[in-house]
Amino acid sequence: GQQLNQSPQSMFIQEGEDVSMNCTSSSIFNTWLWYKQDPGEGPVLLIALYKAGELTSNGRLTAQFGITRKDSFLNISASIPSDVGIYFCAGLAGGTSYGKLTFGQGTILTVHP
Amino acid sequence: ETGVTQSPTHLIKTRGQQVTLRCSSQSGHNTVSWYQQALGQGPQFIFQYYREEENGRGNFPPRFSGLQFPNYSSELNVNALELDDSALYLCASSGGAGAPYNEQFFGPGTRLTVL
Repeated sequence: GQQLNQSPQSMFIQEGEDVSMNCTSSSIFNTWLWYKQDPGEGPVLLIALYKAGELTSNGRLTAQFGITRKDSFLNISASIPSDVGIYFCAGLAGGTSYGKLTFGQGTILTVHP
Repeated sequence: ETGVTQSPTHLIKTRGQQVTLRCSSQSGHNTVSWYQQALGQGPQFIFQYYREEENGRGNFPPRFSGLQFPNYSSELNVNALELDDSALYLCASSGGAGAPYNEQFFGPGTRLTVL
């Protein structure tokens, strides 16, 4: 089945630093989504990407839909302590996959003040 | 606008028992998807409901079943519980007038522990 490889698995950074994480797949996706999950809570949608090459921002967050449609990137600029959490990429293949989101394994982000 | 809600928040069951989890979709959404999230993993798709019918299923056995009601709320039922069913069960809603079908919004989850 489809697999998403998300890297890095974890990051330890200082407040104010920029962060980059990415997701790659062996299959093509029509939609890429990025979520953030805090402990004991459900994932919160950060950014949705619909077209290959698309670059979308949400405040300090910027995400890109890779041209090959097999990858996506998330950047966080000027990190702050509340950015701490687990970030997941998710892809939607469409077609007979209906609304099935395939998730990466997550990137655990720790921000030191 | 009301977000996705789930009940109960926590549940403890023993092997072989049956469990029902409930989800109310975000107002305006007509599609509900269920995911299982094991500790330290990303969510895994169980199935999706649209217009009260199953609209796609992941790699889960038939003892995982669901329902969607006319008000778009949904239930997840798991029979013959196994220890490996211990996980956070997430419900996500999407779709409906003016709502992008592909953007799924998650509830807080139900933490199920099977002893």
